[in-house]
This record gives sequence, structure tokens and C-alpha cells, in this order.
Amino acid sequence: SSEVTQDPAVSVALGQTVRISCQGDTLRSYYANWYQQKPGQAPVLVMSGKNNRPSGIPDRFSGSISGNTASLTITGALAEDEADYYCNSRDSSEFHLPVFGGGTKLTVL
Amino acid sequence: EMQVVESGGGLVQPGGSLRLSCAASGFLFNNYYMSWVRQAPGKGLEWVANIKEDGSETYYVDSVRGRFTISRDNAKNSLYLHLNSLRAEDTALYYCVRDNYGDNGAIWYFDLWGRGTPVTVSS
Repeated sequence: SSEVTQDPAVSVALGQTVRISCQGDTLRSYYANWYQQKPGQAPVLVMSGKNNRPSGIPDRFSGSISGNTASLTITGALAEDEADYYCNSRDSSEFHLPVFGGGTKLTVL
Repeated sequence: EMQVVESGGGLVQPGGSLRLSCAASGFLFNNYYMSWVRQAPGKGLEWVANIKEDGSETYYVDSVRGRFTISRDNAKNSLYLHLNSLRAEDTALYYCVRDNYGDNGAIWYFDLWGRGTPVTVSS
């Protein structure tokens, strides 16, 4: 089992706001990062660290952290945002290795 | 343009071996940790291994430690993954990925992904 966990599926109405969460005790020490993966495509980094959007990622994507839970918020979801979203952080092993959450399937209704 | 391109995947029998390669271009390869991340059919992402900028340190997920070996050739801007003693559960799309980190390691993320090379372990 992963040291960071995600809800398997979330849905949002077109144009509304949705929050995708990632939970784990290591998130108290290490930041979560977020990836978007559309069918048949490689993942794309959409958020790193506290709230850093790579170039080209729309500002409707934002990140936050509260305790052991990190969140990716999409404000005004578009149809093109329908995808799988994965968080990653570091685990609690000796070397604090990278680890991914199980992914959240976002459906835009 | 920065990119990484994987090759070397294929069909292999259980217990067999394979070597994956990744050619990097458009960035200073020897300035970055590099990782392999895999995704089994219909499943999520799993970090497999990474290697330090100069190749002096390597790390593995428990399920592959002792069977897989990550290496790099900075002169050739290339990353490799040697897969030995393959099992059916190693069947996946294997991505070559660039690591990036900051804040004394409090942030560790993957900012450049290839398209992946498929590995199928089956008799």
C-alpha cells in the first residue's frame, strides 16, 4: 500500500470548483506534487511544492497543504481537465524514497 | 527542446532479462537525478528506481531491489535500466523521468517524462 493515499474518483460539474486530496503522514515533512495523465499519454507535472505551477499550466490549478493532507484545486473546471491525477511525495523509509498515490479519476460532468 | 526517449521494451519470458535505454537531450543531463517510473496496464504510477547525478548513488523500490539495476552514461546523455529475473507483475509501461528537487529535499518531483517503453513478461 502507498504511503500517500487518494480518493479513487471525484466528479465536478463543468465550470465548478473541485478539490483533489492526497493524504499521508510524510506530507507533514515533504511536499506533495501533482501530475495529470490523460488516456494514452504520459503524465504531466501540474503542481510542485507548496503552490508552484510549471510554465504552461493554467492558473485555475492551485495547490495547498493542511496538516497531513495536500490538495490540488481546480477552479472553474473545463472538460479538458478530465483525467487521472496523481500525487507524489517521499516515503518514511531510511532514504525517503519517492512514492505515488494511487491516483484520482476526475470526471467533469 | 528538452526530451527523453525510451527504447528497449518488448516481450520476455518469466525469468528473462531486458535492458531499457533512455536518450536525453535539450538539457544538462549530468545535472539531474534520473528515475524510472512504471505503470502496469490500467493501474497507477509506481516509482521504480533513481540514480544520482554522477551515478554514485542508486535507490530502488523494494519489489525490484536485487533484480533491477539502474545506471547512466553521462558522456552519452543516457539512462539505463537492466531488468533481470522478470516476473509477470513487472509487466508495465516504463517511463524515463527527470527528477528535480529543492528545499533541501523537502520537494522532490518529476518534471520531464518520456512516452514510455512497454515491457510484457509472459510465456
